[in-house]
Amino acid sequence: GQSLEQPSEVTAVEGAIVQINCTYQTSGFYGLSWYQQHDGGAPTFLSYNALDGLEETGRFSSFLSRSDSYGYLLLQELQMKDSASYFCAPQTGGFKTIFGAGTRLFVKA
Amino acid sequence: ETGVTQTPRHLVMGMTNKKSLKCEQHLGHNAMYWYKQSAKKPLELMFVYSLEERVENNSVPSRFSPECPNSSHLFLHLHTLQPEDSALYLCASSQEGEKLFFGSGTQLSVL
Repeated sequence: GQSLEQPSEVTAVEGAIVQINCTYQTSGFYGLSWYQQHDGGAPTFLSYNALDGLEETGRFSSFLSRSDSYGYLLLQELQMKDSASYFCAPQTGGFKTIFGAGTRLFVKA
Repeated sequence: ETGVTQTPRHLVMGMTNKKSLKCEQHLGHNAMYWYKQSAKKPLELMFVYSLEERVENNSVPSRFSPECPNSSHLFLHLHTLQPEDSALYLCASSQEGEKLFFGSGTQLSVL
């Protein structure tokens, strides 16, 4: 079967750093994506890791360890606008991406 | 603006109605997707089309019928839906499957 695990909620203060972990078990694996979704909005792509290691895009970084079936999203210099749901999404086939239940991030002043 | 346009944004329908959701992508991508997002549940992949051929069909009930007439357009035809089908239906497109661009979704309510 296939499974994805990420924390349901995380709370942090403005300016802080937060890490959202994701472990996955899938029948196939091409890479791991992260998406952000604000309430009432559509998911938007943040990052994609096909290889082990760290990918950095501005304040956001994403890490992948294929051998551990593990990845994380690191958000730095948190801002209030970062309050949203974050989804890890393994690409399990050529055109197949599955989504976890998401982590709801609350950023406090 | 993600380059993926969905209509309508909201839809209320009775269980005996027939309606269609429309999606158009302006990104030149070669794959299009339908996802369902229900409250408190992960996004569920429903259908994937690559170059107008269906490549994924995740055991979706036959009351949902997709159509992909060309690489830029995707439809989801709905008939005799159930109240539990009420959800946000999201269309997405990608090039080679790595990075999905989502439309704003259609919020569907089945009465």
